[in-house]
Amino acid sequence: EAGVTQFPSHSVIEKGQTVTLRCDPISGHDNLYWYRRVMGKEIKFLLHFVKESKQDESGMPNNRFLAERTGGTYSTLKVQPAELEDSGVYFCASSQEASGTEAFFGQGTRLTVV
Amino acid sequence: QKEVEQDPGPLSVPEGAIVSLNCTYSNSAFQYFMWYRQYSRKGPELLMYTYSSGNKEDGRFTAQVDKSSKYISLFIRDSQPSDSATYLCAIVDKIIFGKGTRLHILP
Repeated sequence: EAGVTQFPSHSVIEKGQTVTLRCDPISGHDNLYWYRRVMGKEIKFLLHFVKESKQDESGMPNNRFLAERTGGTYSTLKVQPAELEDSGVYFCASSQEASGTEAFFGQGTRLTVV
Repeated sequence: QKEVEQDPGPLSVPEGAIVSLNCTYSNSAFQYFMWYRQYSRKGPELLMYTYSSGNKEDGRFTAQVDKSSKYISLFIRDSQPSDSATYLCAIVDKIIFGKGTRLHILP
């Protein structure tokens, strides 16, 4: 069974540009989460989808971040325009349980904004 | 006060030793506690989770929760070089992570 896959694995963009990260969850997992780890900090929650609906987006830092999950399958996270402080590793996770227990993580997308 | 506190290490121990990794948390309402292992350039991998207080054992790994002191622990017996990784404790409320402890097992 395929795990959670993220694309790209690494992205380097200039300040002001747009970047779109993609996450393919494990098939059948209704719950999809985005997390971010910036240098030296904890992994922080960004948002939670249940199917195509945003269940909780309290962790989204500002309106430069837009997450979508059309059709309830894969999800995208767009950063527009990117700022230097957006650099970090963005993780996606999926689970069957809404509680978040037994969430499976992807390998992450390392975003570097220069 | 942070919701989850974890010493980032690094922690170096000789092969075969018992490793003790610990976290404290602030909110006594939390019920689910998890330990993730993360190898370099990989995503976190769930090791085990526990509900409420008590112990849970899985092979060489034992997770322990003491709700009275808001303390969670992970013990690794007979540590192996392949156990070298960053270990993240987490509590389930949108999965709130500690900073992670980098562990090095010295062969």
